[in-house]
Amino acid sequence: DTGVSQNPRHKITKRGQNVTFRCDPISEHNRLYWYRQTLGQGPEFLTYFQNEAQLEKSRLLSDRFSAERPKGSFSTLEIQRTEQGDSAMYLCASSLDQGLYEQYFGPGTRLTVT
Amino acid sequence: AQSVTQPDIHITVSEGASLELRCNYSYGATPYLFWYVQSPGQGLQLLLKYFSGDTLVQGIKGFEAEFKRSQSSFNLRKPSVHWSDAAEYFCAVAPTGGFKTIFGAGTRLFVKA
Repeated sequence: DTGVSQNPRHKITKRGQNVTFRCDPISEHNRLYWYRQTLGQGPEFLTYFQNEAQLEKSRLLSDRFSAERPKGSFSTLEIQRTEQGDSAMYLCASSLDQGLYEQYFGPGTRLTVT
Repeated sequence: AQSVTQPDIHITVSEGASLELRCNYSYGATPYLFWYVQSPGQGLQLLLKYFSGDTLVQGIKGFEAEFKRSQSSFNLRKPSVHWSDAAEYFCAVAPTGGFKTIFGAGTRLFVKA
């Protein structure tokens, strides 16, 4: 297993455009998480899936953000009508749903909104 | 509210010197505790974790951390720092069930020759 992968690694978009990011978790992990990390800060929790069910969403996740995990495997995070404040690193992580739930992170997608 | 504080934004140590990175948390019960490292262009890598048992936990790359309940602290230590340890270090807490991990703001470690 090659770990958690994210695509694209970098995305530059103009304000107002829609963007979609993809995360492929470790294959046997049924939990998947999205975080956002801005410069000089630690990752902030956005949302979490147990298999295909989205079980929690942070208040940080405005109506312009939507995440899916349709078959309980890969996940997508879509941002509609991007704003400059959306510029950040978007991190995906996955874990088992037992034990210490330690999360394994992907390399992230860096979004720049111009 | 749950929170994690890493008081030091950045620390510089000489190669071969010892290292201690501080972490304090605010949480109602004993949470799961983690230290992650993030190198430029890399994802976060788990160094070590604690939930219960021995309060001194060993991790990868020669790191260890000590949980002190009375001080709500989980400080990371390494006896001898290598130049390759230069990175950003994040302390994190998660509740039982582990899904909503809260991270500190991070401490950037610089290593000088």
